[in-house]
Amino acid sequence: GAVVSQHPSWVICKSGTSVKIECRSLDFQATTMFWYRQFPKQSLMLMATSNEGSKATYEQGVEKDKFLINHASLTLSTLTVTSAHPEDSSFYICSARRTPDDLKFFGPGTRLTVL
Amino acid sequence: GEDVEQSLFLSVREGDSSVINCTYTDSSSTYLYWYKQEPGAGLQLLTYIFSNMDMKQDQRLTVLLNKKDKHLSLRIADTQTGDSAIYFCAESGRNSGYSTLTFGKGTMLLVSP
Repeated sequence: GAVVSQHPSWVICKSGTSVKIECRSLDFQATTMFWYRQFPKQSLMLMATSNEGSKATYEQGVEKDKFLINHASLTLSTLTVTSAHPEDSSFYICSARRTPDDLKFFGPGTRLTVL
Repeated sequence: GEDVEQSLFLSVREGDSSVINCTYTDSSSTYLYWYKQEPGAGLQLLTYIFSNMDMKQDQRLTVLLNKKDKHLSLRIADTQTGDSAIYFCAESGRNSGYSTLTFGKGTMLLVSP
């Protein structure tokens, strides 16, 4: 099956620092990757769509300067939470779109806690 | 916007069948998915169905699609305690450019011994 990894799986940081989360498709190429945020006992909220070699498309209400997304290769997308604050604490999950069947596979998630 | 609805909770006994239901509104949906999420983990793609199919079976899993009523169901036969998790229904359709997924809020399945 298709495997998507995320690193780190959890991170604790101080308020004001920046945190980078990596999402990799391990056995397929993904021209499109997606970043989601999930609050406890809630569904996934799409933050942005990341296309390889181009700028990410952000959902309404998501600050692009706060959540920097880079999709530099067909197997790697990164999400950087800049100047993190406690309200940014959440579970961040990435998804990669496999072509040509268009199925979406998810990473294991990254738990971010901002103190 | 488009919407996906699921019941929030289902409790069954081990060995019984579980049926999780989902309704959606996007008539242009091409793929419909079922994902499983265990506590603290990401989403695992369980199964999916094309919109031109009525049924798909994969071992203990059976997906039924009623396109006319925009109703999707997931049946788990011989449910085990390890099946306890949250199950998300999701669809992709024309309104999202066929690229993004619209999720339901998830159904928590609790399997008791």
